[in-house]
Amino acid sequence: GENVEQHPSTLSVQEGDSAVIKCTYSDSASNYFPWYKQELGKGPQLIIDIRSNVGEKKDQRIAVTLNKTAKHFSLHITETQPEDSAVYFCAASIFTGNQFYFGTGTSLTVIP
Amino acid sequence: IAGITQAPTSQILAAGRRMTLRCTQDMRHNAMYWYRQDLGLGLRLIHYSNTAGTTGKGEVPDGYSVSRANTDDFPLTLASAVPSQTSVYFCASSPGTGIGYTFGSGTRLTVV
Repeated sequence: GENVEQHPSTLSVQEGDSAVIKCTYSDSASNYFPWYKQELGKGPQLIIDIRSNVGEKKDQRIAVTLNKTAKHFSLHITETQPEDSAVYFCAASIFTGNQFYFGTGTSLTVIP
Repeated sequence: IAGITQAPTSQILAAGRRMTLRCTQDMRHNAMYWYRQDLGLGLRLIHYSNTAGTTGKGEVPDGYSVSRANTDDFPLTLASAVPSQTSVYFCASSPGTGIGYTFGSGTRLTVV
């Protein structure tokens, strides 16, 4: 099955700086890559996703890039704010499949 | 407010006891899922249902069962709980397979 690796496991940045989280996947058939944000005591929330026919997608301060050849994708958060502090999960799936394979999460701390 | 409701929010359970975790969604999503979240392991799929009346096994189904009698409800049953089932359980739903999930707030289960 699919194996998703996520790095780093923890990340601290100063407010206003950028944060980058990277994930790699093993199954070349995977074609859908969502990112989730999980705040303490809450369920994960979808923040952005990308399909394999697109190389980059942006939504305000958040962007995701995908390199299908290298089988990796990254989350970029610009102008970070304290409310961006959370655990972020990447995932990979086959668009018609039943299962998302999640990375192990990155705990992001934005220091005011 | 549309979304997913999970109950209970937390539970301490004696080993060997039977327990049903409840999940209800009001978004009329076809697909529903149960994941467990463990530190360092991320989110792992237990069971899924693509539509009412059908269910399937995920990555870690042993010791768990599900049913999908209607679109809205997807209960998860532990027939005889064991300490290794101590985890946070998340129910999720999506309009169809391979589309980003909406997660519930989770049930924290401790088996002693």
